Amino acid sequence: DTAVSQTPKYLVTQMGNDKSIKCEQNLGHDTMYWYKQDSKKFLKIMFSYNNKELIINETVPNRFSPKSPDKAHLNLHINSLELGDSAVYFCASSRPPARELFFGEGSRLTVL
Amino acid sequence: QQQVKQSPQSLIVQKGGISIINCAYENTAFDYFPWYQQFPGKGPALLIAIRPDVSEKKEGRFTISFNKSAKQFSLHIMDSQPGDSATYFCAASRAGRGGNQFYFGTGTSLTVIP
Repeated sequence: DTAVSQTPKYLVTQMGNDKSIKCEQNLGHDTMYWYKQDSKKFLKIMFSYNNKELIINETVPNRFSPKSPDKAHLNLHINSLELGDSAVYFCASSRPPARELFFGEGSRLTVL
Repeated sequence: QQQVKQSPQSLIVQKGGISIINCAYENTAFDYFPWYQQFPGKGPALLIAIRPDVSEKKEGRFTISFNKSAKQFSLHIMDSQPGDSATYFCAASRAGRGGNQFYFGTGTSLTVIP
């Protein structure tokens, strides 16, 4: 039973399109995150939600909009996709005060 | 700016050798320092972690050494095995409003040659 699951695993799309990535965790965690991993493997925090409330919103273009319908889900919607958005997007969760981050397997987005 | 600096970017070690990866941070508010291991096509997974009140933590072949005054910490992999070949990330964490904040190093690609 997958703890943090993301769909889709692969996404290939054209510039200018809009796409969404879904994330669900069955760990009962309160906090969920989106990270972007670029081609150099750098992991950069994008957003963090705690109990459906946006906590961290790093310098990310407003074409990226997270949505948390409930504690177990955090989706990422991207408008007007650009070539530079090509990356692997990881969803993660944790349960404060515990510090372990649990990652999903990632969603590889390729913008052509 | 990069909150956690990691080196080297890549590392090649012979089987049985010792792999050493180094990290440094500036923000003294960080109070938890994990290392994550990532295999190709997978998400990072927690390997080992340390809090700044101890100078060393060992789990099997993996050891974290922590130097609070220098704001540096390192991962040592003893008797490195081909199965250890992966990308390793150090991170620094602090409690924040509404949850924990994590900042990752730039990653080290480790290759262990049989």
